[in-house]
Amino acid sequence: DVKVTQSSRYLVKRTGEKVFLECVQDMDHENMFWYRQDPGLGLRLIYFSYDVKMKEKGDIPEGYSVSREKKERFSLILESASTNQTSMYLCASSVDSQWYQETQYFGPGTRLLVL
Amino acid sequence: GNSVTQMEGPVTLSEEAFLTINCTYTATGYPSLFWYVQYPGEGLQLLLKATKADDKGSNKGFEATYRKETTSFHLEKGSVQVSDSAVYFCALSDVNSNYQLIWGAGTKLIIKP
Repeated sequence: DVKVTQSSRYLVKRTGEKVFLECVQDMDHENMFWYRQDPGLGLRLIYFSYDVKMKEKGDIPEGYSVSREKKERFSLILESASTNQTSMYLCASSVDSQWYQETQYFGPGTRLLVL
Repeated sequence: GNSVTQMEGPVTLSEEAFLTINCTYTATGYPSLFWYVQYPGEGLQLLLKATKADDKGSNKGFEATYRKETTSFHLEKGSVQVSDSAVYFCALSDVNSNYQLIWGAGTKLIIKP
């Protein structure tokens, strides 16, 4: 079974702190994704990566950056956390496919509270 | 642009009731359609999918049929259980979204014993 793990289930940070969220997948997937999940808004894509050191902006990249130095690891960075970044953050991975969407496999999520 | 609209929740049903969660979409191409489920405290997981018109996806007693004429992909189950309580997300992907998933807002389902 594919396993996607996230470094923390819950985090509490203060405004202005730099925050790192880590995601690791064990199935050699090319694609990795970071979403945030907010009630009534569904999932919104922050960034995705289709290869090591490659990244693409999603729908809401402002205030975030990412890093993918190894294939299995995809990090989300909040450069200066703000209260409006309080949310559930979900990481996902999928096999690369040029022509259609492969199943995305999700981690359990990190619930971030910024005070 | 592409979009997915789901019925608002929460949907509350008694055990063994019939379930329908409505999902309609807007897409300029020929999308693939998905239902993902998020159980309490967990990440999302794929429930079922359909990749072309008139396809029926099914899993764990849930079904959804890709209806191009009504641009719909409604999720159904004949007899729900308490363990089906979760949040259900409808999603699509196609060439015009660069094959990224476009998500509905999610529908929370509560099943009472």
